[in-house]
Amino acid sequence: GAVVSQHPSRVICKSGTSVKIECRSLDFQATTMFWYRQFPKQSLMLMATSNEGSKATYEQGVEKDKFLINHASLTLSTLTVTSAHPEDSSFYICSAREGLGRRERGYTFGSGTRLTVV
Amino acid sequence: SQQGEEDPQALSIQEGENATMNCSYKTSINNLQWYRQNSGRGLVHLILIRSNEREKHSGRLRVTLDTSKKSSSLLITASRAADTASYFCATDAFGLTGGGNKLTFGTGTQLKVEL
Repeated sequence: GAVVSQHPSRVICKSGTSVKIECRSLDFQATTMFWYRQFPKQSLMLMATSNEGSKATYEQGVEKDKFLINHASLTLSTLTVTSAHPEDSSFYICSAREGLGRRERGYTFGSGTRLTVV
Repeated sequence: SQQGEEDPQALSIQEGENATMNCSYKTSINNLQWYRQNSGRGLVHLILIRSNEREKHSGRLRVTLDTSKKSSSLLITASRAADTASYFCATDAFGLTGGGNKLTFGTGTQLKVEL
């Protein structure tokens, strides 16, 4: 089955630094990738949608300059949390969808990244 | 926000009992999916039901969908302690903010199955 690898699984960084999270589709081409954020005991909130080769579409209220998304290839999307602050501490999860026509197979999720900003 | 709502927020049952979770959503959808998440872990896809389907089964799982009421339910029969997790419904629909179809999650139900 489809596999999405997300790295790192955990990261601790100092306030003011930037952190990059990678999301790779291992055995399929992901034309679209999604980034979610989840606070403890809460649901997943969609942050942005990225399509290969084009700019990401951000959900309302998500700061584009704070959460930089790059989807440079059909198998890799990255999320960079810039100038991180303690309130950015959260669980970030990526998801990948194969090309059009396969969306009913479901979305494949990475295992998530626990970000702690100290 | 287009996020759906689930109820109950938390459910505690004894092993062997059935667990029912409900999900309501707001927009037209292509399909609705149910996911499971163990504490602090990634998501596991459980089942997908298309908008033109009314009921679907997979092992001990039974999902219903009522598009007229914009609601779905997940039934887990003969629950086991290992079923303890959070369960989320997610609707696959065209995003109003652009970017094509996207998956929007419900608020989730925390299920605890006790021995």
